[in-house]
Amino acid sequence: EDKVVQSPLSLVVHEGDTVTLNCSYEVTNFRSLLWYKQEKKAPTFLFMLTSSGIEKKSGRLSSILDKKELSSILNITATQTGDSAIYLCAVEGGAGGTSYGKLTFGQGTILTVHP
Amino acid sequence: KAGVTQTPRYLIKTRGQQVTLSCSPISGHRSVSWYQQTPGQGLQFLFEYFSETQRNKGNFPGRFSGRQFSNSRSEMNVSTLELGDSALYLCASSFTDGSPIGGSPLHFGNGTRLTVT
Repeated sequence: EDKVVQSPLSLVVHEGDTVTLNCSYEVTNFRSLLWYKQEKKAPTFLFMLTSSGIEKKSGRLSSILDKKELSSILNITATQTGDSAIYLCAVEGGAGGTSYGKLTFGQGTILTVHP
Repeated sequence: KAGVTQTPRYLIKTRGQQVTLSCSPISGHRSVSWYQQTPGQGLQFLFEYFSETQRNKGNFPGRFSGRQFSNSRSEMNVSTLELGDSALYLCASSFTDGSPIGGSPLHFGNGTRLTVT
């Protein structure tokens, strides 16, 4: 069974700090790893990492995929109170048709940024 | 471009009743997936539709069903509601040509919060 584990489960920091969120996975026929940010409603897409693109960066956020270690990290530099959210890691994989539309999600990391 | 739209936002139902949730994908997206989110289990995959066909299904009982229309809009139905069905139901769409390796991320709607009493 496919499995995604995130750590830490929760994290409290102060504005300006840098944080690193971790995600490890076990999945058959890995295709991609995705990071989402969820505040009170819809998970918002952040990054998609595949074999052809193992590092992504957008502003203060960046992510790296380590296919050898079956893991990924999400870095947030110079954190702001607006970064407070649940960060979800998800993996797309599976054999043939079993992968259609299906992401296996981790339990999420709750990030709280204090002023 | 409008995002994924789900209606209604909130629903309160009684055990034994049935419910229908609606989802309009992003324009041009043909794949629609449904997920259930609960505090204990997190986000779990229900099913996926593409061109009006269910291509994939998660491990949920047959009380959970769905369909997709020719305009890619989708509905999911839950019959004989149980207390454990209380959850946030999220719909997501993606731009895919239908191949298994679509390489296109899922974009989620704001969800329907279902409460079963």
